[in-house]
Amino acid sequence: DIQMTQSPSTLSASVGDRVTITCRASQSISSWLAWYQQKPGKAPKLLIYKASSLESGVPSNFSGSGSGTEFTLTISSLQPDDFATYYCQQYNSYPWTFGQGTKVEIK
Amino acid sequence: QVQLQESGPGLVKPSETLSLTCTVSGGSISSFHWSWIRQTPGKGLEWIGHIYYSGSTNYNPSLKSRVTISVDTSKNQFSVKLSSVTAADTAVYYCARTYSGSYYDCWGQGTLVTVSS
Repeated sequence: DIQMTQSPSTLSASVGDRVTITCRASQSISSWLAWYQQKPGKAPKLLIYKASSLESGVPSNFSGSGSGTEFTLTISSLQPDDFATYYCQQYNSYPWTFGQGTKVEIK
Repeated sequence: QVQLQESGPGLVKPSETLSLTCTVSGGSISSFHWSWIRQTPGKGLEWIGHIYYSGSTNYNPSLKSRVTISVDTSKNQFSVKLSSVTAADTAVYYCARTYSGSYYDCWGQGTLVTVSS
């Protein structure tokens, strides 16, 4: 299985901050990576697919980049609604696997 | 707008079979892949498997011997059965629409299933 490792596990930030979350794959996954946002008690919500494609309706302050084994999710200016947990997911090789999550907390 | 809703027992006894159904509304189940994913505090998000509306399936090898996913296009539903459950199968179970069998663009709200006697 491809292991997905996110860093950091927890991130403390303030409204307006630029936030970057990293996801590393244990082997190359080309650009077959998605990012999700999850709030407590809710299902994950798709933000980014194919590493850098923004899902329809997702604010443009979210962006994704990377290929191969290293990927980043960037929130250009953190908004109050963005405090949540973020997950990456690879869909290059079965079984599809997720990172362990990065919780973005209020500083 | 497509909506998904999981249904099924919230409590299952050890060694029995967990059965959940996902009802798709606001759109057709045809021409898409449909997945089951579960989430636990310890293991995080885990892909269980997915099915194409035609019936072809892919399963997580870690669960393959115990899991069956099926689809009923006439009812716009798909289902998962997980046999011989243990406490380790206690989780929130999500159903999701899966774009080209890859990533999940629409999720159900999730349902907690507890395995306990």
